[in-house]
Amino acid sequence: GENVEQHPSTLSVQEGDSAVIKCTYSDSASNYFPWYKQELGKRPQLIIDIRSNVGEKKDQRIAVTLNKTAKHFSLHITETQPEDSAVYFCAATLRAGSYQLTFGKGTKLSVIP
Amino acid sequence: NAGVTQTPKFRVLKTGQSMTLLCAQDMNHEYMYWYRQDPGMGLRLIHYSVGEGTTAKGEVPDGYNVSRLKKQNFLLGLESAAPSQTSVYFCASALGVRYEQYFGPGTRLTVT
Repeated sequence: GENVEQHPSTLSVQEGDSAVIKCTYSDSASNYFPWYKQELGKRPQLIIDIRSNVGEKKDQRIAVTLNKTAKHFSLHITETQPEDSAVYFCAATLRAGSYQLTFGKGTKLSVIP
Repeated sequence: NAGVTQTPKFRVLKTGQSMTLLCAQDMNHEYMYWYRQDPGMGLRLIHYSVGEGTTAKGEVPDGYNVSRLKKQNFLLGLESAAPSQTSVYFCASALGVRYEQYFGPGTRLTVT
């Protein structure tokens, strides 16, 4: 069916190391791929997004890469800090002309000082 | 700008009771969404609206109804609450589907 698979579900890294979260999607017509961060007890907030006409996008310590052929996209966080600890959700617009996002189930990232 | 607000923040219902959750946005966004968030399940779309007077079903619409009578407001109704509807409910608004969704603070609903 139409879905977004996200891995891993939990991830622990040492402060200063890099973290990578990967998502796969089912529809080759998908064209928008945002990443949201949700701190404990807070609302989700957009941290970075990428459209299907771009292969990579960076914003300071975070980057997203998109592989349309393999239908997967990844979030990369470098030089992790304790404040990066949160749940991260990937999402995608599935099907051409869709009005909605489909979210992955989330990755709980813990950065160990 | 208040952004996206939700009322109430918390609510406890008994099985069979009804209630309405209100979402309001002051960003003049056309698109509005209602999600539920359960542990390990991510954000699942209940209903959405692409403009005043329009609504559509999302992934998990059963047991819920919505209305968008004014552009700035999106109401989520539970006609007969069930324990399976215990969840955290988030509202969001956006300029369009390929734009940032701005989320409200959430409503924690418990049905006993």
